[in-house]
Amino acid sequence: SAVISQKPSRDICQRGTSLTIQCQVDSQVTMMFWYRQQPGQSLTLIATANQGSEATYESGFVIDKFPISRPNLTFSTLTVSNMSPEDSSIYLCSVEKGAGQGFSEQYFGPGTRLTVT
Amino acid sequence: QKEVEQNSGPLSVPEGAIASLNCTYSDRVSQSFFWYRQYSGKSPELIMSIYSNGDKEDGRFTAQLNKASQYVSLLIRDSQPSDSATYLCAVRRSGYNKLIFGAGTRLAVHP
Repeated sequence: SAVISQKPSRDICQRGTSLTIQCQVDSQVTMMFWYRQQPGQSLTLIATANQGSEATYESGFVIDKFPISRPNLTFSTLTVSNMSPEDSSIYLCSVEKGAGQGFSEQYFGPGTRLTVT
Repeated sequence: QKEVEQNSGPLSVPEGAIASLNCTYSDRVSQSFFWYRQYSGKSPELIMSIYSNGDKEDGRFTAQLNKASQYVSLLIRDSQPSDSATYLCAVRRSGYNKLIFGAGTRLAVHP
């Protein structure tokens, strides 16, 4: 498994501002992922972040709104830009670890609960 | 048709009973299958992964996979109130890193 931390754990922000969420993992990983979980909903992948390359965004998510950095193999940040109340959600980072026999598993950080007023 | 479908529940079972959670998926080239448990206000926790047809047991949990029927299930034996949570089924296609999540099934174990 993996030990993953996220900062901040929660925040209340005003519309129009930006928030940067940090994700730190206790070991080097190639693949890191950022998800959003809106109230009462399942998880939606925002983007995949590989170290040394540009993040890959899912349909409906754009770099200008959710810029991602991946400066090394243990750290990533997600910025939620120009926030609106619709961005109120839990933001989760996850990492992929090998599970043997060519398979891999994803583990999640504790999440960042964002409220935009 | 959703890519990964789960009954939203709630599934209510008495303490000590077997809870059976089901998940179907639409993409036949799916390769890896996962069950996550999510307590209210917490992040998802991986409890089982399964990659080949048949059963995989880990303590009180058994995952069952039937690729021909595109069906994966999770059995929880001797259910405890502490098992009350939302259980998320996730599927990964062959050649992709991305997980596709179902909407989750809420399980309630009552004393």
